Amino acid sequence: DTGVSQDPRHKITKRGQNVTFRCDPISEHNRLYWYRQTLGQGPEFLTYFQNEAQLEKSRLLSDRFSAERPKGSFSTLEIQRTEQGDSAMYLCASSLKDSRLAGNTGELFFGEGSRLTVL
Amino acid sequence: AQSVTQLGSHVSVSEGALVLLRCNYSSSVPPYLFWYVQYPNQGLQLLLKYTSAATLVKGINGFEAEFKKSETSFHLTKPSAHMSDAAEYFCAVSLPSGGYNKLIFGAGTRLAVHP
Repeated sequence: DTGVSQDPRHKITKRGQNVTFRCDPISEHNRLYWYRQTLGQGPEFLTYFQNEAQLEKSRLLSDRFSAERPKGSFSTLEIQRTEQGDSAMYLCASSLKDSRLAGNTGELFFGEGSRLTVL
Repeated sequence: AQSVTQLGSHVSVSEGALVLLRCNYSSSVPPYLFWYVQYPNQGLQLLLKYTSAATLVKGINGFEAEFKKSETSFHLTKPSAHMSDAAEYFCAVSLPSGGYNKLIFGAGTRLAVHP
């Protein structure tokens, strides 16, 4: 399978613990996105990378959240000192930015998500 | 302010009936527009997209959407619903103010299809 893969698919943790999610994008894609989706809502943008550079981070994102993409391939999203409000599905997506185009007009390819439950 | 609004969180249709899912956007400059579908326990899948070419866009599974600048709308339609169309549908925009660099999603519309 050459799609976007996320790991783990499910994570149950106690409040105050740290959790880390991993995303492996489609191999030739240079952009990688993290979104969060709660029940009954659409995906909410968290952050995105172009290669290894983090180009934008949502202003709504707590300092407890950090994302990395050290070699421009896979990415990790860490949540420190988890709270019950962090319970959600964390979605990763990737795309290929064409350097000839202003911005990204292409589609995002999504993984199946990592579901976090904080008790 | 909401960049994209989907009217109706739940829509129910009979098999064979017309499907109409509504999406309106807020932008003074036409954005790029997308419809995604999410089946249970699956990732989001692109149905179709509008990126300033033809205003009537055809997608997969018989769906199409029409970009109407005067109405700031991008409604999704399908002439005849099938049971397999039951899923959640998300409208998304990519805004010029954001450099078209990310998608902003609506809250979604859950489509139910009954026999």
